[in-house]
Amino acid sequence: KAGVTQTPRYLIKTRGQQVTLSCSPISGHRSVSWYQQTPGQGLQFLFEYFSETQRNKGNFPGRFSGRQFSNSRSEMNVSTLELGDSALYLCASSLSGPVGSPLHFGNGTRLTVT
Amino acid sequence: KNQVEQSPQSLIILEGKNCTLQCNYTVSPFSNLRWYKQDTGRGPVSLTIMTFSENTKSNGRYTATLDADTKQSSLHITASQLSDSASYICVVSEAAGNKLTFGGGTRVLVKP
Repeated sequence: KAGVTQTPRYLIKTRGQQVTLSCSPISGHRSVSWYQQTPGQGLQFLFEYFSETQRNKGNFPGRFSGRQFSNSRSEMNVSTLELGDSALYLCASSLSGPVGSPLHFGNGTRLTVT
Repeated sequence: KNQVEQSPQSLIILEGKNCTLQCNYTVSPFSNLRWYKQDTGRGPVSLTIMTFSENTKSNGRYTATLDADTKQSSLHITASQLSDSASYICVVSEAAGNKLTFGGGTRVLVKP
């Protein structure tokens, strides 16, 4: 069974630009959640989608948004990039949700904002 | 506020030795506690998941313990190998609110 796939692996963007990250979950998993990981803050929850609906959202500004498609693939968008958005962005898929079932993480997208 | 504190922040051990990582949490109501291993440049991989009623769970050379009364967990690595060099993250699930709280992680370096 293929694991969680995130693309691209690396991105370099300039302040003010926007970026879209993609996540393909494990086949059969309907929940996709996104996380930001930085050396200073550790892992922080961004949001979770289940069957194309956002079920939960972390404490991030509205510049961070996402969506999920009917095939469970998910995208995350960050608009008006700031230097502080430089981080490793991880997505994870699970059968029923991050709390009730095991999370399977992708290897992340490393975003650098200059 | 729900918190998960891990200690130590980092440690260095010699190959073949044992070590124990600590995780203290204030998350309530508690659903489950997970330990993840994250290699550099990779996503976290699950080691163990424990619910309220489970005291100990093993995965190969990794053994996790949980004391739900004192809200403490530990991860014990036996006979460490170079491949154990990684960050270990403790994650606690809240029963209400469908939320996860992440610890800051412990970075382990195993030296030959």
